[in-house]
Amino acid sequence: GAVVSQHPSWVICKSGTSVKIECRSLDFQATTMFWYRQFPKQSLMLMATSNEGSKATYEQGVEKDKFLINHASLTLSTLTVTSAHPEDSSFYICSAAWAGKNIQYFGAGTRLSVL
Amino acid sequence: QKEVEQNSGPLSVPEGAIASLNCTYSDRGSQSFFWYRQYSGKSPELIMFIYSNGDKEDGRFTAQLNKASQYVSLLIRDSQPSDSATYLCAVNESNQGGKLIFGQGTELSVKP
Repeated sequence: GAVVSQHPSWVICKSGTSVKIECRSLDFQATTMFWYRQFPKQSLMLMATSNEGSKATYEQGVEKDKFLINHASLTLSTLTVTSAHPEDSSFYICSAAWAGKNIQYFGAGTRLSVL
Repeated sequence: QKEVEQNSGPLSVPEGAIASLNCTYSDRGSQSFFWYRQYSGKSPELIMFIYSNGDKEDGRFTAQLNKASQYVSLLIRDSQPSDSATYLCAVNESNQGGKLIFGQGTELSVKP
């Protein structure tokens, strides 16, 4: 099956610092990657859709300057949480899909704790 | 507002029984339907996908789709304690390039 690697799996940082999360498709070329956030006991909330070589499309209410997304290659997308604050603490999950397929395969997720 | 509705549960079944999970969706243009399993503290894992009306079986899992009723279900036969998890129903959002709409998830508990 399709494998998506996400790193780091957890991170603790101080308020005001930036955190970068990487998402890699290991055995397929991901034309589209998605970034989600999930709070405890809630479902996934889509933050943005990222297509290789173009700017990400952000969902309503998601600050693009706060959550920087780069999809520089067909196998790598990054999410940078800039100037993180405690309210940004959450479980961030990426998924990847390849051209012509609606199937999304998820990374293992990154648990972010901002002190 | 396009929505996917699931009973949040918890749904409790004894080991060996059939667990039935249900989902309704509002987007009539949706063409792809997915079931993901999410263990506590972990990310979702794809269990089944279905595109056509009817049943699709894979091992102990059967997905059922009825587009006319906008209804999709997942049956788990011979339920095991290891099946205890939250099951997320997801439906592709029509004309939105692969975006999925997720339900809130149904928590399943299989009792030994």
